[in-house]
Amino acid sequence: QVQLQESGPGLMKPSETLSLTCTVSGDSMSIYYWTWIRQPAGKGLEWIGRIYSSGSTNYNPSLKSRVTLSLDTSKNQFSLKLTSVTAADTAVYYCARALWEGGWFDPWGQGTLVTVSS
Amino acid sequence: QSALTQPASVSGSPGQSITISCTGTSSDVGSYNYVSWYQKHPGKAPKLMIYDVSNRPSGVSNRFSGSKSGNTASLTISGLQAEDEADYYCCSYTSSTTLVFGGGTKLTVL
Repeated sequence: QVQLQESGPGLMKPSETLSLTCTVSGDSMSIYYWTWIRQPAGKGLEWIGRIYSSGSTNYNPSLKSRVTLSLDTSKNQFSLKLTSVTAADTAVYYCARALWEGGWFDPWGQGTLVTVSS
Repeated sequence: QSALTQPASVSGSPGQSITISCTGTSSDVGSYNYVSWYQKHPGKAPKLMIYDVSNRPSGVSNRFSGSKSGNTASLTISGLQAEDEADYYCCSYTSSTTLVFGGGTKLTVL
């Protein structure tokens, strides 16, 4: 069965660039949509964006100016870069898979906490 | 894009039924049958409970059901059990080809 695992820095300082990677195991990355979602402490889920196996991307308008998604199918990984982070970007970041651009998310990674603090 | 609107909290006693609403607009919930629901326990990853408004993934109890009317989708849980206590989130596809979540609903089993 397919499994996803996020990895990232944990602690960052304001204005830095966040880089997270999601490693996919148990299946090919082809034909799927790979997604990033985050949850700030005490708040709800927020869709960040998705990347298709072809490399095409789509982003949340509120984050679009700061987000870049990429994928490396040879490593079965996809990545998130978020520039100029602030405390408001402190959250648990999840990666997830969707079967099509509007489809449901399943499975999810376990999530990785990113804290932005000076 | 604005988050879908969910009640902040709902509660029910074991064995009862509850319904969680998820209100969007004609640009998301109202236009597409692409609403999904997720259960989230603290410290755990969200779990898919319903997809495409009313479909249950394999392994999800038939006590969970989904529906939609106009711009509002709903998740109903029947025969409430203690382990159903969690946060629930709806999610919809939008006319901008993005996805949008609801603010989440905390379910308390009394």
